[in-house]
Amino acid sequence: GAGVSQSPSNKVTEKGKDVELRCDPISGHTALYWYRQRLGQGLEFLIYFQGNSAPDKSGLPSDRFSAERTGESVSTLTIQRTQQEDSAVYLCASWPGLWNQPQHFGDGTRLSIL
Amino acid sequence: GIQVEQSPPDLILQEGANSTLRCNFSDSVNNLQWFHQNPWGQLINLFYIPSGTKQNGRLSATTVATERYSLLYISSSQTTDSGVYFCAVGGGADGLTFGKGTHLIIQP
Repeated sequence: GAGVSQSPSNKVTEKGKDVELRCDPISGHTALYWYRQRLGQGLEFLIYFQGNSAPDKSGLPSDRFSAERTGESVSTLTIQRTQQEDSAVYLCASWPGLWNQPQHFGDGTRLSIL
Repeated sequence: GIQVEQSPPDLILQEGANSTLRCNFSDSVNNLQWFHQNPWGQLINLFYIPSGTKQNGRLSATTVATERYSLLYISSSQTTDSGVYFCAVGGGADGLTFGKGTHLIIQP
């Protein structure tokens, strides 16, 4: 597609359940990012993927969070044993890896933990 | 890490008014982006502007990299301009660092 695609757009789940969020980047973009936006706040950087390099996971909020990406395609962000504080919008962005080009964001997944 | 401060935090204007939003950052950057987050939560790229001036219709932006600030100008405001405006800097392996945003309300 023309833009960054995220699914699902909304997810409501019970505390303790696992959730998986998906991001399809713009074709040809080598870099992919995950961000979290809590209600009324700015975006918080979580993790970055570039090509086949191993990502730096130090920005993930806890060990319940994990993220994977296969090559330069789809990425998934998984949250295990969800807690109410995980409620937020999770946004994905892709970037062509060129410093004169911006990051492009998807519409996000709105996650609500009951 | 780099700090990003935006001002004002809130702004209420009448339709047709002009506004200036400011973004200060604490270190030199090679990337600065302005975004508009609409009431539906979509984050829309407005400008990629690490330095210089750009214009797009009623919106324009100027970044003075040596003085570590950027300004977003909105002229002849419309109700559809309402939302939150974010400035973000950095990128690469460290991701973008976002300011807390300016919440703009344009009243008819």
